[in-house]
Amino acid sequence: DTEVTQTPKHLVMGMTNKKSLKCEQHMGHRAMYWYKQKAKKPPELMFVYSYEKLSINESVPSRFSPECPNSSLLNLHLHALQPEDSALYLCASSRQGGGYGYTFGSGTRLTVV
Amino acid sequence: QQPVQSPQAVILREGEDAVINCSSSKALYSVHWYRQKHGEAPVFLMILLKGGEQKGHEKISASFNEKKQQSSLYLTASQLSYSGTYFCGTPFLNNYGQNFVFGPGTRLSVLP
Repeated sequence: DTEVTQTPKHLVMGMTNKKSLKCEQHMGHRAMYWYKQKAKKPPELMFVYSYEKLSINESVPSRFSPECPNSSLLNLHLHALQPEDSALYLCASSRQGGGYGYTFGSGTRLTVV
Repeated sequence: QQPVQSPQAVILREGEDAVINCSSSKALYSVHWYRQKHGEAPVFLMILLKGGEQKGHEKISASFNEKKQQSSLYLTASQLSYSGTYFCGTPFLNNYGQNFVFGPGTRLSVLP
């Protein structure tokens, strides 16, 4: 299995809602990532989990909260988002060290209304 | 920290060749290349880890000039399936630890 699976594929939420994005991989990768991608822009790194520990946390607003329950699963909890948070959220995984390239999921298209 | 890519966009006919360049004002320790088709996830093409390294992937190859802090992606005898946006990316260190940044992308369109 060489895939990273993300659910849901599309999500519309209000600014007062709480929702979660889910990501799963079964490639034995020990590093997992959340990226945010706006239209016609490159992906931007939000969070990195290495061996289920949050190793870096870019200056992302606290309304985004990552969670890594085990080595195969990654969640992104969303609360009180703003319309400008609307974007494609990509999950990725890699072998430890990142010297092997990232495998991306197909993403969740999020719209905040 | 973001690498610079050139050109921003290129249009080719099937069978033509193209070169996409990626450069940085900071030292490049390694360079990744990805292709993203419209509405899809980025797909890893290759990684170059050492200066002077060259790699090939079907008719797509890349080189890495560490001293010049640049990498180039070569697409030969382009096919319709090569259309998409190509990103280079590189790891770097900041206050939070190791990070990764993509270039702005080069949009490639291959026409019949």
